[in-house]
Amino acid sequence: DMKVTQMPRYLIKRMGENVLLECGQDMSHETMYWYRQDPGLGLQLIYISYDVDSNSEGDIPKGYRVSRKKREHFSLILDSAKTNQTSVYFCASSFEGAEQYFGPGTRLTVL
Amino acid sequence: QQKVQQSPESLIVPEGAMTSLNCTFSDSASQYFAWYRQHSGKAPKALMSIFSNGEKEEGRFTIHLNKASLHFSLHIRDSQPSDSALYLCAAKNMGYKLTFGTGTSLLVDP
Repeated sequence: DMKVTQMPRYLIKRMGENVLLECGQDMSHETMYWYRQDPGLGLQLIYISYDVDSNSEGDIPKGYRVSRKKREHFSLILDSAKTNQTSVYFCASSFEGAEQYFGPGTRLTVL
Repeated sequence: QQKVQQSPESLIVPEGAMTSLNCTFSDSASQYFAWYRQHSGKAPKALMSIFSNGEKEEGRFTIHLNKASLHFSLHIRDSQPSDSALYLCAAKNMGYKLTFGTGTSLLVDP
C-alpha cells in the first residue's frame, strides 16, 4: 500500500524552540517535498529533495532546513521557531516528478 | 517564476449540476498540468493530469487544456455532495517542481 507518513500530527512549540518534522514513504520515490499550507495562499514549496543528500531550496526556504540521509525519510527542521511559522506542513513524494503523494500533514502552532 | 491562478475562489452548486473550475498559468513552457482535490482536514490527492492539448475524461471528471491561451479547466458532471472540497490546480515544465494555485473551494448543496 503506497503511503506517506508524517510525525507528529500536531505540535505546539514556544517561539525560539527548535522543531523537527519527520516524513516517511514506502514507495522508494527518489523525489520528496516539503510544503506549507496557509489559508488563501495554497501550497507553498519549502524544499525539494531529488535523492539522498541532494536537496534544493523551494520558493520559501528562509527559516527552514532539511535533511535526507535515507531515501525513504525526509526531515524538516525549524531552528528557533517563529510565530509566523504557524501553519500546516505537508510532505509529499513522487517518482521522477510525476504525481505527488501527500502525507496527512502536521499542524504546527508556535506561541 | 511560474504563477498559477484559479477562479473562482469559491463556488456553490446544487447536487446534479455541472461544475467548472478554471486555472491559468504563466510559463508557456509548461508540460504537465494536474488537478488535486483536498477534503477538509485531509491531504491533497491527485485527481487528474494532462500533458497535451485537448481533453481527457475519467468518469464524471473532464480536464481541458489549451496551451496557447495558458488555460486549463476541470469539469465535474453530476456533482455530488462528496465532491465538496478544495480543488488545487498545478503546472510544471520538464523539471520536478510543481506550482500550485491557491485553490477553489467547492460546496455541492444536496
